[in-house]
Amino acid sequence: DTGVSQDPRHKITKRGQNVTFRCDPISEHNRLYWYRQTLGQGPEFLTYFQNEAQLEKSRLLSDRFSAERPKGSFSTLEIQRTEQGDSAMYLCASSLPGQGCEQFFGPGTRLTVL
Amino acid sequence: GNSVTQMEGPVTLSEEAFLTINCTYTATGYPSLFWYVQYPGEGLQLLLKATKADDKGSNKGFEATYRKETTSFHLEKGSVHVSDSAVYFCALATNAGGTSYGKLTFGQGTILTVHP
Repeated sequence: DTGVSQDPRHKITKRGQNVTFRCDPISEHNRLYWYRQTLGQGPEFLTYFQNEAQLEKSRLLSDRFSAERPKGSFSTLEIQRTEQGDSAMYLCASSLPGQGCEQFFGPGTRLTVL
Repeated sequence: GNSVTQMEGPVTLSEEAFLTINCTYTATGYPSLFWYVQYPGEGLQLLLKATKADDKGSNKGFEATYRKETTSFHLEKGSVHVSDSAVYFCALATNAGGTSYGKLTFGQGTILTVHP
């Protein structure tokens, strides 16, 4: 399978704990995006990378959130001191450069904060 | 800022009925427009796209035309099937200022249920 993969698929944690998600993009894609999707809503942009450089961060990405893509391949999204409002589906997508290029989405990581 | 507005759902149709899901947008620059679909239990998939005004995107019997004058990108299908039951998202991407290049702004999604 050469699609975008995410790990874990589900994460249940207690409020205040830290969590980290991983995304492996399609191998030749140099752009990687993180989105968050809450129930009944469309995905909302969080941040994106071109190779290893993080080029844009949404205001949704508070100081408790950090994302990395150290070697321009896989990426991690960490949430520190989780809150119940962080419960959502976290989606990763990758693409080739270009405004019209298709973004391929992974299956998502569903986070539940108790 | 950029925004996408979709018709409110859910939409329930009988098989072979005609489908329209309305989508309008607000954007700076010259956006590319997309329809993504999310089948039950699956991830988002691109259904079709259009990158400039008057382009028509089409796939699997679905069509949408990029209308700059009405800032719309309505999704249509002449005859739906039970297998089309899914959530449909309209989205746009712009490169305004060079820093938003490629990121997608989504509508809230429209749930489509098709009955036999």
